[in-house]
Amino acid sequence: ETGVTQTPRHLVMGMTNKKSLKCEQHLGHNAMYWYKQSAKKPLELMFVYNFKEQTENNSVPSRFSPECPNSSHLFLHLHTLQPEDSALYLCASSQKGGATETQYFGPGTRLLVL
Amino acid sequence: GQQLNQSPQSMFIQEGEDVSMNCTSSSIFNTWLWYKQDPGEGPVLLIALYKAGELTSNGRLTAQFGITRKDSFLNISASIPSDVGIYFCAGETSGTYKYIFGTGTRLKVLA
Repeated sequence: ETGVTQTPRHLVMGMTNKKSLKCEQHLGHNAMYWYKQSAKKPLELMFVYNFKEQTENNSVPSRFSPECPNSSHLFLHLHTLQPEDSALYLCASSQKGGATETQYFGPGTRLLVL
Repeated sequence: GQQLNQSPQSMFIQEGEDVSMNCTSSSIFNTWLWYKQDPGEGPVLLIALYKAGELTSNGRLTAQFGITRKDSFLNISASIPSDVGIYFCAGETSGTYKYIFGTGTRLKVLA
C-alpha cells in the first residue's frame, strides 16, 4: 500500500465508449501525474498537475482529458480511444518544493480498448 | 531527448546469488530512484538517491549514485524467490520534476 489508489483496476472499453480513470492520494502531496506503461517501453509521462494546475501535457492526444479537482484527486477521462491506447495507466504523486521529491505510484488501471 | 539505458534487460539467477543491474545516461541527473514492479501492480519505490557518490541500503538492496551523475547501480544480495519482478531506474534533472525511466530489468529467481 503506497498511499495512492486507483480505480478501476481493470477496464475494457470499445472505441466509441467514454470512461474515466480515478486516482486518489492519501499522502498530502501537492503534485500528481499520469503515466502510460506499454509493453517493452519505458514509462511515458502524460500529464503533470502541480497544486491542481496542469503544468505539463506531454503531447498527449486530445482523446485523453485529465481533470484535477483538488490536490488529492486526479481523473483521466477517455473517449474515442484506439486499440493502441491499450496499456497500464499509472498515477503517481509527489511533494514538490521540498528538499527531496520522490514519486509514489498507484497500482495502475489495466486498460484494453477493443 | 534524454534516454536511460538499463541493463541487463533480463536475468535468471539461482536463489542465494547476488544480482547487479545498472542505468546509464548521456545526461546528468540530480536524483536517481529505483523501483520494483510486480505483475499487475504499480512500481514500488525501493531506494532514492540524491547526491553523487551516495550509497544507500534498504535491507538486502544497495544502490549507488554514480560519481559522474550519469549512472546508478542496484545490487541485491542473497536473492530469494520474491525478488522476482521488474526493476526500474528513474532519473530526474533538478527543477524539471520530470523523471525519465529506464526500460527495466526483468529478474527471475530459480529456487
